[in-house]
Amino acid sequence: SAVISQKPSRDICQRGTSLTIQCQVDSQVTMMFWYRQQPGQSLTLIATANQGSEATYESGFVIDKFPISRPNLTFSTLTVSNMSPEDSSIYLCSVDGTSGTEQYFGPGTRLTVT
Amino acid sequence: DAKTTQPTSMDCAEGRAANLPCNHSTISGNEYVYWYRQIHSQGPQYIIHGLKNNETNEMASLIITEDRKSSTLILPHATLRDTAVYYCIVRVGSGGSNYKLTFGKGTLLTVNP
Repeated sequence: SAVISQKPSRDICQRGTSLTIQCQVDSQVTMMFWYRQQPGQSLTLIATANQGSEATYESGFVIDKFPISRPNLTFSTLTVSNMSPEDSSIYLCSVDGTSGTEQYFGPGTRLTVT
Repeated sequence: DAKTTQPTSMDCAEGRAANLPCNHSTISGNEYVYWYRQIHSQGPQYIIHGLKNNETNEMASLIITEDRKSSTLILPHATLRDTAVYYCIVRVGSGGSNYKLTFGKGTLLTVNP
């Protein structure tokens, strides 16, 4: 299994500002994923990030709002831009296991926008 | 990916087996059944997956009906730490580009002392 860490674990931000969330994996992985979990809701995939290529965004999510970087095979960042209270959520990154069948998730970043 | 239907919540006594059902009547022949769980305030945790044969690992057993339209996740001896939301997901297995997981609302399993 992969060990995934995220920074920060939580933050409280002012509306209109941006926050960059970091995801670090202890092994090289091809695909990394970013999810959002709004309060009381299930997880929704934001985008898929492959190293060396542009991230692929799901319907309802755009690069201007959620820019993603994937500089190498163990690291990715997600930026939540121009935040509003509706962006208050838990943001999680995940990676595929070495067998390509299961996914492993980070602990999440709990974001509150005031 | 095929849609799944799960009960909203279930209770189980500590030490007893927890049987969590999932309906996936529109599953395709190349789609696997995956189970994840999310303990409060943590990221989801992979439990088990299968295609058509029953599967068992150190965490749980997965029973898939012969027509593959439903499955049951079995936690043989539930503990208080198994209290979590359990998600049943169907998706294409390894290979290709269909890696994404589509989470439904899941089943909140509460294990009682």
